Amino acid sequence: GDSVTQMEGPVTLSEEAFLTINCTYTATGYPSLFWYVQYPGEGLQLLLKATKADDKGSNKGFEATYRKETTSFHLEKGSVQVSDSAVYFCALSSGAGTYKYIFGTGTRLKVLA
Amino acid sequence: SAVISQKPSRDICQRGTSLTIQCQVDSQVTMMFWYRQQPGQSLTLIATANQGSEATYESGFVIDKFPISRPNLTFSTLTVSNMSPEDSSIYLCSVVLQGNEQYFGPGTRLTVT
Repeated sequence: GDSVTQMEGPVTLSEEAFLTINCTYTATGYPSLFWYVQYPGEGLQLLLKATKADDKGSNKGFEATYRKETTSFHLEKGSVQVSDSAVYFCALSSGAGTYKYIFGTGTRLKVLA
Repeated sequence: SAVISQKPSRDICQRGTSLTIQCQVDSQVTMMFWYRQQPGQSLTLIATANQGSEATYESGFVIDKFPISRPNLTFSTLTVSNMSPEDSSIYLCSVVLQGNEQYFGPGTRLTVT
């Protein structure tokens, strides 16, 4: 079945460092891919998405490119801030008439001032 | 996007009791889901809340334990019945908007003692 694999956390970075959080997926067909962010004590917020191969999703300085050849959707940000400290979830929706998501295990990011 | 609220935001309950969680959306939506997020874990889909018919449960979740109501297109409830400490989790509702994007409520943090 479909699955999402994220890199283990926690990831600890200094402010202004470059961020990469790896996400790979297994899916039949052509899934849509998402990144969600969960700040402490809050629900999940949609950060960005991509719906087809080579699409790049971007928001708030974060970006991720849908790579079909490597089945990946890595999240990147050029310069992180303390306020980016949160848990990041990669997810896929396999489409084909279903709206169900499959989530990765989440990666906790801690940014130090 | 949509404004999604959940009540209560948190609760501490005794084992053997039941808790009903409410999810209210500020617009009519067709697809609504309930998730569980156990401490430090990812999200697990409990069920799809169907308006006017019985909910569709995922493997491992049953109606007797997690009865769901969906009386209209803006409201749903999830009941956690006969609770045990293993039910301590964050429970989140989500709705599908514009394509297959899901938007989440803030969650209900449940502790069972």
